[in-house]
Amino acid sequence: DQQVKQNSPSLSVQEGRISILNCDYTNSMFDYFLWYKKYPAEGPTFLISISSIKDKNEDGRFTVFLNKSAKHLSLHIVPSQPGDSAVYFCAASGSSNTGKLIFGQGTTLQVKP
Amino acid sequence: ETGVTQTPRHLVMGMTNKKSLKCEQHLGHNAMYWYKQSAKKPLELMFVYSLEERVENNSVPSRFSPECPNSSHLFLHLHTLQPEDSALYLCASSQEAPSNQPQHFGDGTRLSIL
Repeated sequence: DQQVKQNSPSLSVQEGRISILNCDYTNSMFDYFLWYKKYPAEGPTFLISISSIKDKNEDGRFTVFLNKSAKHLSLHIVPSQPGDSAVYFCAASGSSNTGKLIFGQGTTLQVKP
Repeated sequence: ETGVTQTPRHLVMGMTNKKSLKCEQHLGHNAMYWYKQSAKKPLELMFVYSLEERVENNSVPSRFSPECPNSSHLFLHLHTLQPEDSALYLCASSQEAPSNQPQHFGDGTRLSIL
């Protein structure tokens, strides 16, 4: 039973437009959410996070939105750049965990020039 | 430079071999983790160490044996592995565990079991 789901395996957008990556979770005990980016042959790189006490966190071109009632979070990248092409993973954890992160399957983003 | 270094990057071994994966973090963190990523599956936590003590074993078979001699180093000793153990093994570290701070990953070891 997957507690964190990314239902879109891939997404393609034009350079300069907005990329929206989505993630759903089932465990209401999760209180910390993260997005990671992964290039081929490299490990995941931390992008941005959000605590459950917030509904939005922004860092430059990246904004994460959290909708607790819908158990849904999204990552907005605007404007999208070709260098953003990568696999994006969302992850979640609960404060009662031992630091355990639960990952989604990932969404491959392609930004076309 | 990720601050978390894993060696080797690639490893091919037979089912009867014994090998070890090494992870070193240069971030001054107190928690370290092993994850496994199999093909077309999400990253899956294997072990968590906090201040050199194992605090989580996520139902991992005993053919995987972790070792954390200090807060900067983490090993994964492999013995009598199965073909289904072929995967990408990722090490990560964070300031504390648990904490609402991100984990920082190494580039992984690609393991192939013959």
